[in-house]
Amino acid sequence: QSVLTQPPLVSAAPGQKVTISCSGNSFNIGNNYVSWYQQFPGTAPKLLIYDNDKRPSGIPDRFSGSKSGTSATLGISGLQTGDEADYYCGTWDSRVSAWVFGDGTKLTV
Amino acid sequence: QLQLQESGPGLVKPSETLSLTCSVSGASISSSIDYYWVWIRQPPGKGLEWIGSIYYSGRGSYNPSLRSPVTMSVDTSNNRFSLKLTSVTAADTAVYYCARHHVLTVYGMDVWGQGTTVTVSS
Repeated sequence: QSVLTQPPLVSAAPGQKVTISCSGNSFNIGNNYVSWYQQFPGTAPKLLIYDNDKRPSGIPDRFSGSKSGTSATLGISGLQTGDEADYYCGTWDSRVSAWVFGDGTKLTV
Repeated sequence: QLQLQESGPGLVKPSETLSLTCSVSGASISSSIDYYWVWIRQPPGKGLEWIGSIYYSGRGSYNPSLRSPVTMSVDTSNNRFSLKLTSVTAADTAVYYCARHHVLTVYGMDVWGQGTTVTVSS
């Protein structure tokens, strides 16, 4: 059981928008920065979002992030079949002094 | 372009020591004063688990929840950093990734190696 809670599975049709939630507490999301990672089967995770809502160079603006209180959300608009992957949220947890991640959410398009 | 590459044995016996190395190319560890070098693992079918982070100076921080004792080290001469887990069990079977994160956690983990699979079995 991870410190951060994500839905195990989300699905939507091509072209639609989907959101993935990540819930934590005041020791992690509430007072630290959230990042999101995309992972295709058999490959390494890739940074999608940092600083709650910033996209690294090369990440399409179809991907967005937000944070409110002790929860964060990843949004993916204009869904493509190529977006099918596992998505993880992560942040620093000040109580356990450790990086923590959610269990991941599998996106089906 | 910064690249990270993990290496090490794919099979380790229970109670023995798991040793992995991450070779860094495209940047110098000793010059990367704004970054920590990281080990993360992913058990089969499960999520990501942070093992620890180490600075170029050798100062490290480790996940307190890990059951197997952890040691990380930096070899600036060869531009690589290493991980040792002692007294491993089957629970340490995972894909092990090396990565990098800025000293400010705001920036997340921006560069990852491709990962190496380690199985703990007799």
